[in-house]
Amino acid sequence: EIVLTQSPATLSLSPGERATLSCRASQSVRSYLAWYQQRPGQAPRLLIYDASNRATGIPPRFSGSGSGTDFTLTISSLEPEDFAVYYCQQRTDWPLTFGGGSKVQIK
Amino acid sequence: EVQLLESGGGLVQPGGSLRLSCTASGFTFNNYAMSWVRQTPGKGLEWVSTISGTGSSTYYADSGRGRFTISRDNSRNTLSLQMNSLGAEDTALYFCAKELGGTNNLFGSWGQGTLVTVSS
Repeated sequence: EIVLTQSPATLSLSPGERATLSCRASQSVRSYLAWYQQRPGQAPRLLIYDASNRATGIPPRFSGSGSGTDFTLTISSLEPEDFAVYYCQQRTDWPLTFGGGSKVQIK
Repeated sequence: EVQLLESGGGLVQPGGSLRLSCTASGFTFNNYAMSWVRQTPGKGLEWVSTISGTGSSTYYADSGRGRFTISRDNSRNTLSLQMNSLGAEDTALYFCAKELGGTNNLFGSWGQGTLVTVSS
């Protein structure tokens, strides 16, 4: 099973600041890494797939990078609605696995 | 607009069974793989099971293999998850998710979830 480790667990920032989230895989997932956002009380929403492709309707302040085992989700300038939990997910191999999540909270 | 509506959750005793359903609309159901993903209270996400568009291929996490059965009825645009021998560890919010078009094993659309509580 491919284990995904996300860091930091919690990130405290102010609106307008830049957020950088990390996801590290226990073995190579090539570029098959996705990022989801989950706001309180809502279902997750796909943000980024295959490391760097924004899903439909996702604003350009969200960007993804990386390959192999190390990946980054960057939010260039935090909007109030961006304070949420972010999960990474790999689709390289079964079982499909998620990271434990990173919470971006208001400082 | 894609809509996924889960139902069937509830309180069940340990060792009991439950059948979850997901009714889909807004897309050609049989063209997409569908999955169940669960989230334990206050914790993260766990993939449970996936079924191909035709229903001919199914995949399970180890946690549910042998106890859970995923199925679909393409004539009724319905996805199901039969869960047997339930334990406290199965308590979670269960989401139905649609594959992102043309990209395997990504969850492009999600329902709002149905809560399963296993307790005596």
